[in-house]
Amino acid sequence: DAGVTQSPTHLIKTRGQHVTLRCSPISGHKSVSWYQQVLGQGPQFIFQYYEKEERGRGNFPDRFSARQFPNYSSELNVNALLLGDSALYLCASSLDRGYIQYFGAGTRLSVL
Amino acid sequence: GQQVMQIPQYQHVQEGEDFTTYCNSSTTLSNIQWYKQRPGGHPVFLIQLVKSGEVKKQKRLTFQFGEAKKNSSLHITATQTTDVGTYFCAGLGSQGNLIFGKGTKLSVKP
Repeated sequence: DAGVTQSPTHLIKTRGQHVTLRCSPISGHKSVSWYQQVLGQGPQFIFQYYEKEERGRGNFPDRFSARQFPNYSSELNVNALLLGDSALYLCASSLDRGYIQYFGAGTRLSVL
Repeated sequence: GQQVMQIPQYQHVQEGEDFTTYCNSSTTLSNIQWYKQRPGGHPVFLIQLVKSGEVKKQKRLTFQFGEAKKNSSLHITATQTTDVGTYFCAGLGSQGNLIFGKGTKLSVKP
């Protein structure tokens, strides 16, 4: 079975632009979570979705938004990019909240 | 808010030496998960501990969950170069999210 897949793998944007990151969970997993990992730090929670509904939100500005589709895939959108948004964005899928989360390879975003 | 702290931040060992990383939470945890992230990679799930005082072993890796369910440790016996990476502990937050420590970066000198 395929693991969590994320696209694109790398992305370069300039300040002020918008970005959309995509994630496909493991087959059978209904929950998707997004994390931001800045170099040298642990992943920080951004959003969690289950059955297309937002179940949790971390301490990130409103420039960050996400959604989950009927096939359980998910998108993370970031508007008005700042230099500080440069990071590895990780998607994790799980059967439900509280279950083990399995991470994708991430999207490495560079904002210039 | 809930915080998870990990020490040490870095550990440099000679191949064959043992390694331990410690994790402490500001609140009681329902469970704790451990992940390994290789350089340039993504976090890979290692194990989940749920019960107070639980000890689990995976080959040379030993994981412990404290009696009060507020601390945990990972011990690697006789490190190998393949053990290189950053080890993270993560507690379960109130939103079903993982709260990660800052990780312990392990380097192994052959």
